[in-house]
Amino acid sequence: NAGVTQTPKFQVLKTGQSMTLQCAQDMNHEYMSWYRQDPGMGLRLIHYSVGAGITDQGEVPNGYNVSRSTTEDFPLRLLSAAPSQTSVYFCASSYGGPGQPQHFGDGTRLSIL
Amino acid sequence: EDQVTQSPEALRLQEGESSSLNCSYTVSGLRGLFWYRQDPGKGPEFLFTLYSAGEEKEKERLKATLTKKESFLHITAPKPEDSATYLCAVQDFGNEKLTFGTGTRLTIIP
Repeated sequence: NAGVTQTPKFQVLKTGQSMTLQCAQDMNHEYMSWYRQDPGMGLRLIHYSVGAGITDQGEVPNGYNVSRSTTEDFPLRLLSAAPSQTSVYFCASSYGGPGQPQHFGDGTRLSIL
Repeated sequence: EDQVTQSPEALRLQEGESSSLNCSYTVSGLRGLFWYRQDPGKGPEFLFTLYSAGEEKEKERLKATLTKKESFLHITAPKPEDSATYLCAVQDFGNEKLTFGTGTRLTIIP
């Protein structure tokens, strides 16, 4: 049972490049979310999804897009990377929403030069 | 807007030395308060959910308590393997998101 799998683990981009952070879960969870974690800021919600075909914005959505075509996958797209998006990104999933125990992946460490 | 403040930022304890971590919160209506543990280079791992003032939850050397304004994570006779960052989060009624604090980095010295 893999849980929540994030790829890649590390990535370095140049300003203006685009990329997709992958997140997959094998627990049949309906709720999935993306957070970024920055020093002194805590985890901040970027986007979330309550099921396939349904997504919504979190606290810091600007510069990021998401889609949810299947229950298992919830990719996060950076459209035009900026240095301010340098961060550690975590994907999480749960059975019934944010009030249920969240299962987190081990993160993607992203640096934008 | 929901707010979560954790203190202290960092805490160093000798093995066996008990202490408490604090999580103060401001919400319009608390749906749940959550504690997570995060090891370096890893994602957070769920520990506890508390729903109402007076509630307590225990797991091994950890006990979480809740009042109307704050939660405490008590650690009794800690061991080096308890070293981690402990995160507190809240969910407000009618809100499909969690608000996290910045965490307390706990170090247990053998």
